[in-house]
Amino acid sequence: DVKVTQSSRYLVKRTGEKVFLECVQDMDHENMFWYRQDPGLGLRLIYFSYDVKMKEKGDIPEGYSVSREKKERFSLILESASTNQTSMYLCASSPPVVGNTEAFFGQGTRLTVV
Amino acid sequence: AQKVTQAQTEISVVEKEDVTLDCVYETRDTTYYLFWYKQPPSGELVFLIRRNSFDEQNEISGRYSWNFQKSTSSFNFTITASQVVDSAVYFCALTLYSSASKIIFGSGTRLSIRP
Repeated sequence: DVKVTQSSRYLVKRTGEKVFLECVQDMDHENMFWYRQDPGLGLRLIYFSYDVKMKEKGDIPEGYSVSREKKERFSLILESASTNQTSMYLCASSPPVVGNTEAFFGQGTRLTVV
Repeated sequence: AQKVTQAQTEISVVEKEDVTLDCVYETRDTTYYLFWYKQPPSGELVFLIRRNSFDEQNEISGRYSWNFQKSTSSFNFTITASQVVDSAVYFCALTLYSSASKIIFGSGTRLSIRP
C-alpha cells in the first residue's frame, strides 16, 4: 500500500518559532509537493521538488523554505512562524510526469500559530 | 492563465438523492489532464479519476459518473443514490502537459449527505 506520511497531525507553535513539517514517501517518487489548504481557497502550492536537493517555488512561497536531502523526505520550514500561517498543510508525491498519474497525499498537518 | 472554478461551496442533500458537483476549467493549452479528488474528514486526499484532454468519453464507476465536455470546459461529477459515506470535500484539479509538475486545484465543494 503506497504511503505518504506526515510527521504530525496537529501542531501548536508560538509566534516567531522555527517550525519543521516533515513528509516521507515510500513510493520512490521523484516529485514531492507542499500545499496549504484554507477554507474557500482550495489547495495552494507552496514549494515542490523534482529531485534531491532540487526545488521550485510555488504560488505562495513567502515565509517558507524547504529541504530535500533524501529522495523520500521533503521538509517544509517556517522560518519564523506567524499567526497568518495557521492552516492545514498537505504533502504529496508523484512520479515525474504528474499528468500521467495521480499525486498521492499525506493525511495533513493542522498547524496553529498562537 | 489556468484556473479551476468550483462554484458550489457547499451542498447538502438527503441520503439517496442524486447530486452533481460542477467543475469549470480555463486553459489555452491543448494537452492537459483533469482530476477529481475526495477529502474525507480524516484529511487525506483520495484520487477518484483522471481524464486527459483527448478523451471526452464519460466514465461511470459504480454510483459515480463523470461528464467531460470540452465545448463548455466542464468536468462535472455526479453521485447517484448518495450515501452518508460520500460526505467529504471534493476537489477538481487541472495539470498541463507543458508544466506537468504543477497541479491547479479548485476551491473545493463540501458535500454533506443527511441520513
